[in-house]
Amino acid sequence: DAKTTQPNSMESNEEEPVHLPCNHSTISGTDYIHWYRQLPSQGPEYVIHGLTSNVNNRMASLAIAEDRKSSTLILHRATLRDAAVYYCILRRIQGAQKLVFGQGTRLTINP
Amino acid sequence: NAGVMQNPRHLVRRRGQEARLRCSPMKGHSHVYWYRQLPEEGLKFMVYLQKENIIDESGMPKERFSAEFPKEGPSILRIQQVVRGDSAAYFCASSHTSGSTYEQYFGPGTRLTVT
Repeated sequence: DAKTTQPNSMESNEEEPVHLPCNHSTISGTDYIHWYRQLPSQGPEYVIHGLTSNVNNRMASLAIAEDRKSSTLILHRATLRDAAVYYCILRRIQGAQKLVFGQGTRLTINP
Repeated sequence: NAGVMQNPRHLVRRRGQEARLRCSPMKGHSHVYWYRQLPEEGLKFMVYLQKENIIDESGMPKERFSAEFPKEGPSILRIQQVVRGDSAAYFCASSHTSGSTYEQYFGPGTRLTVT
């Protein structure tokens, strides 16, 4: 499986945008980019996924670099509830169904 | 529209006892996954099951651990003769179908403590 690299931690202020980066330089053409997050003492929660084009949903936006070697999860207006560990995960089309979690980025939101 | 349910939420067992963790997937979901999160560590895949079948058990320890997902009822993760190193949070997830575009929905987890 292709590997992802994320910063260990990031900090932002409430009501400001947050850009969470993920590097995946060995991504293959059949890898989807998924983001999950885990709030304290809870199970992981799906956030968003994409293949090549940028994606938006009610939770966040996903910006994918043209060469697909990196992506950025964008929280447009962070709230205290967004404090969590964010995981960037590659999932191959027709590949294994399991999610392979790295260490993720621990996001702290300051009031 | 109930989400993934896990019980118990907290389980305390003495060394050598058995632990049974239950997972009821979301309504209409026939794919179940178990993950383990050791203290201060990341989430690790354990096993993937469909109804009555184990599809991928590449993350399951070779001994003492077993999983099932019967035709009727919840999925069960069973740990025999627990040891202190089994203390962890165990999360179950379910999905409607397989495929890399389908998200997995996670339950709240069972926190197992072995004394």
